[in-house]
Amino acid sequence: NAGVTQTPKFRVLKTGQSMTLLCAQDMNHEYMYWYRQDPGMGLRLIHYSVGEGTTAKGEVPDGYNVSRLKKQNFLLGLESAAPSQTSVYFCASSAYRGLATDTQYFGPGTRLTVL
Amino acid sequence: LAKTTQPISMDSYEGQEVNITCSHNNIATNDYITWYQQFPSQGPRFIIQGYKTKVTNEVASLFIPADRKSSTLSLPRVSLSDTAVYYCLVGQNQAGTALIFGKGTTLSVSS
Repeated sequence: NAGVTQTPKFRVLKTGQSMTLLCAQDMNHEYMYWYRQDPGMGLRLIHYSVGEGTTAKGEVPDGYNVSRLKKQNFLLGLESAAPSQTSVYFCASSAYRGLATDTQYFGPGTRLTVL
Repeated sequence: LAKTTQPISMDSYEGQEVNITCSHNNIATNDYITWYQQFPSQGPRFIIQGYKTKVTNEVASLFIPADRKSSTLSLPRVSLSDTAVYYCLVGQNQAGTALIFGKGTTLSVSS
């Protein structure tokens, strides 16, 4: 039982390049989330999904797209990377109830640098 | 969503009890209070959750007064390994809503 895994762990992009971050969970959770964490800012919600095939915007969605084609996977895409998107990205999942009070399980993070 | 306010940082020594207070003056009737812990280079980890009065588990205690406008996370006899960022979150017991993480409290434990 690996929990929540993220691929890749590190990535360096040039401005304008695109990439996809992959999140996978093996806990059969309905809800999945993408956060970004910047120094001194805490975690900010980018997008989240309440189930396979559905996505919703969070606090800072601009510049990102997401897809949830399979229940266990949640993809975060950057179509045209900008230096402002340099950050650590965390994926999380929570149980099928989808309540805000459900425990969120976080992955180890992806450190992205955009030059 | 209820906004939370907590100290930016706290310092302690090994073996002491640490209390981190979080203010949430606009907490709603359906809101629960949840605390997460984050170690450097790791994702946050759930510590404890409560609605009112006191909750205790193997890691911490959570004290919530009757008016629920604040809460206190209590860590008994901290060790160096408790050095981390602690987040206080307030969220409703409602499907489809997401928690808002603030800036958290950075706890530094020294020997």
